[in-house]
Amino acid sequence: GESVGLHLPTLSVQEGDNSIINCAYSNSASDYFIWYKQESGKGPQFIIDIRSNMDKRQGQRVTVLLNKTVKHLSLQIAATQPGDSAVYFCAESGAGGGADGLTFGKGTHLIIQP
Amino acid sequence: DTGVSQNPRHKITKRGQNVTFRCDPISEHNRLYWYRQTLGQGPEFLTYFQNEAQLEKSRLLSDRFSAERPKGSFSTLEIQRTEQGDSAMYLCASSSTGQGVEQYFGPGTRLTVT
Repeated sequence: GESVGLHLPTLSVQEGDNSIINCAYSNSASDYFIWYKQESGKGPQFIIDIRSNMDKRQGQRVTVLLNKTVKHLSLQIAATQPGDSAVYFCAESGAGGGADGLTFGKGTHLIIQP
Repeated sequence: DTGVSQNPRHKITKRGQNVTFRCDPISEHNRLYWYRQTLGQGPEFLTYFQNEAQLEKSRLLSDRFSAERPKGSFSTLEIQRTEQGDSAMYLCASSSTGQGVEQYFGPGTRLTVT
């Protein structure tokens, strides 16, 4: 079946550097793509979303890029901090205007080196 | 109301027993979702309610699983005749119509079936 997945299970970066987390998706009918952050022992926390008719969206220290040609999604975190250590999931939502169960990928564990 | 709450946080049960989990969403949210997450994987969608109506169920939701949201507020997820494969984190999320795709997750209930 169609799914959302990630390229790397673990990403290690130096504190202060920029982080780029990648995601490949296969369902071209998805309307929204979302990034979640999950810290140990907690539920996923929303970071940012992007609609399928956009190719870039910026938030506070984060930027999401969507390349529909190659079905690729990325999350860029600027000036990575120790508090950014977590597992990051990309997820997709259908065309239900938000009234859909999300399909999550497997996650990338971001490790911050001091 | 500070967020989605789930009870209990941990549950250990013997195979064959029934278990019930509770989710209290953010008070003004009309949508409620249940997900299951196993170690190292992203959450998997189980079912979705809009108010008290169960509108979507995943194929993962076998006959042993049942979810209710009788008054459109809190929800319960029951697993009958538990199996070792049911061991997982069960996550609840809520959202509100017209406020985008962001789903707010609770901390989860960790189920261990021995």
